Amino acid sequence: TQLLEQSPQFLSIQEGENLTVYCNSSSVFSSLQWYRQEPGEGPVLLVTVVTGGEVKKLKRLTFQFGDARKDSSLHITAAQPGDTGLYLCAGGSQGNLIFGKGTKLSVKP
Amino acid sequence: NAGVMQNPRHLVRRRGQEARLRCSPMKGHSHVYWYRQLPEEGLKFMVYLQKENIIDESGMPKERFSAEFPKEGPSILRIQQVVRGDSAAYFCASSPPSRLWTGNTEAFFGQGTRLTVV
Repeated sequence: TQLLEQSPQFLSIQEGENLTVYCNSSSVFSSLQWYRQEPGEGPVLLVTVVTGGEVKKLKRLTFQFGDARKDSSLHITAAQPGDTGLYLCAGGSQGNLIFGKGTKLSVKP
Repeated sequence: NAGVMQNPRHLVRRRGQEARLRCSPMKGHSHVYWYRQLPEEGLKFMVYLQKENIIDESGMPKERFSAEFPKEGPSILRIQQVVRGDSAAYFCASSPPSRLWTGNTEAFFGQGTRLTVV
């Protein structure tokens, strides 16, 4: 059974700080996706990483896919209150995606 | 172009009643996926449907839960004889016919239905 473990589960930081959240598995994934979910809303796709070692940047967000395609990280530079939310990683195939439990990020002004 | 529409947004049912959750996919999308999110838990896959067909229901509980996606109209997730443990947020996602959601393509989520069983 494929599992995705996310850490930390909760993270509370001040505006302007940097942070990294992790998504780990003992299984190889052909690709991983990162989503952000705000309270009362559905998840919104941020990025898909496909190639081992791949790095993708989305403004202040940097996503990395591990060389072995078993793990991924999300780094946020100079966090802002608008970054507050639940960050989920997901992987899988054939319409049946596996999601991690997420990292709940709170950025205080 | 409207996104994935789910209704109702909030649903309260007493134990033993039936709950019907509706999902209208994005225009032109023919793949629909249902997920359940329990408090402090990640999203759990329930079922994947195409028009008039259930493709993968490996995440559906064996009893009381059913799903359909008729030729006309929205997809329906039906929960019979609800129990307190069914309280959760239920999300629907859709993807276009040429782009099965494989983890390398995008599916779009609705805002969810929050079911509370009292």
